[in-house]
Amino acid sequence: DAGVTQSPTHLIKTRGQQVTLRCSPKSGHDTVSWYQQALGQGPQFIFQYYEEEERQRGNFPDRFSGHQFPNYSSELNVNALLLGDSALYLCASSLVSGLDTQYFGPGTRLTVL
Amino acid sequence: EDQVTQSPEALRLQEGESSSLNCSYTVSGLRGLFWYRQDPGKGPEFLFTLYSAGEEKEKERLKATLTKKESFLHITAPKPEDSATYLCAVVSGNTPLVFGKGTRLSVIA
Repeated sequence: DAGVTQSPTHLIKTRGQQVTLRCSPKSGHDTVSWYQQALGQGPQFIFQYYEEEERQRGNFPDRFSGHQFPNYSSELNVNALLLGDSALYLCASSLVSGLDTQYFGPGTRLTVL
Repeated sequence: EDQVTQSPEALRLQEGESSSLNCSYTVSGLRGLFWYRQDPGKGPEFLFTLYSAGEEKEKERLKATLTKKESFLHITAPKPEDSATYLCAVVSGNTPLVFGKGTRLSVIA
């Protein structure tokens, strides 16, 4: 049973560029959530997708956008990158139930220079 | 606003020296509390979910407990492979997971 997968593993970008991160959920899961984790901090919720729509959104600017595809996989897009966007970006999948456990992928380490 | 505070920030134990990690929370109607383990540079690994005060769950050397204001993660006779950051997160109402900053555990052989 494949768990949550994310690509790429690492990414280096410069300020002002745009980046796309990808996530495939655990088999049987239909909900994908994205988190940003700065060094030494807990993950911060960015947004959640279900049925190809954004269900909830955390306190992140519109530069952060996402998409969910019919096969439940998802993308996170960040425009106009800032130095402060450097972080580990985590994808988690679950069933739509609000109390269902979220299972995390290995993350994408984004470095903005 | 939901808040989660974990203590201590860092803990260093000798192999076999049992201890507890604390997660205190302030939420409007707790629906679930989650414990995760995270190794450096990797994604969090699910450990436990607790739903109501008085509930306890165990897995190998780990035992999680829940009261109305806090949760404890008890580690019995830890081994070096238990070294990791342990994260606590809560769900209340229709909110997403709200995480604490974690406790960084080091177990020395």
